[in-house]
Amino acid sequence: QVQLVESGGGVVQPGRSLRLSCAASGFTFSASALHWVRQAPGKGLEWVAAISFDGSASYYIDAVKGRFTISRDNSKSTLYLEMNSLRPEDTAVYYCADLIGSRWGQGTLVIVSS
Amino acid sequence: DIQMTQSPSAMSASVGDRVTITCRASQGISHYLAWFQHKPGKVPKRLIYAASILQSGVPSRFSGSGSGTEFTLTISSLQPEDFATYYCLYYNSYPYSFGPGTRLEIK
Repeated sequence: QVQLVESGGGVVQPGRSLRLSCAASGFTFSASALHWVRQAPGKGLEWVAAISFDGSASYYIDAVKGRFTISRDNSKSTLYLEMNSLRPEDTAVYYCADLIGSRWGQGTLVIVSS
Repeated sequence: DIQMTQSPSAMSASVGDRVTITCRASQGISHYLAWFQHKPGKVPKRLIYAASILQSGVPSRFSGSGSGTEFTLTISSLQPEDFATYYCLYYNSYPYSFGPGTRLEIK
């Protein structure tokens, strides 16, 4: 069955870094554009970043440009989100998703706090 | 960038009611609009894509319409399991954009 499993969340101090991973199975990972979507506590869903099927192109919301980097390893069927210079407003549940194929992970919680 | 708005932001309704939620885009987006249902602690579930195509497995009481800048999600007869938050999503060119959500509560 289709699975997207995120890992790497946790508590981190402002200004520090964290890398999220999303391991995929059950579908043709290398054929799908993939996304990170987040939900801050008490807030709505926010699209954060996307990467093309082959990793040649990536896209971000302005709030994370220059701080976050999305990448993928198609040989490992794994999506990544490298998050640098973290801010308290980055606190959220982060989901990896294939939005076109309607596949979502369960989410991983990132808390940025001193 | 395209901005999405939704109305109302919250509403209360009763089981059996007909409910309509509106989503507006800051510029024309053709039919590149999806609707999601999200419940606390659960993964968002896509209900509708391409503005009006029902996702496989989603009950037929859900329907979507619209194109250009104005879209609607209609639930023809509310069921207890439908109380949730609903989001529209623009998904043609980047950056994608979710609407702020409509929280549907039990009256």
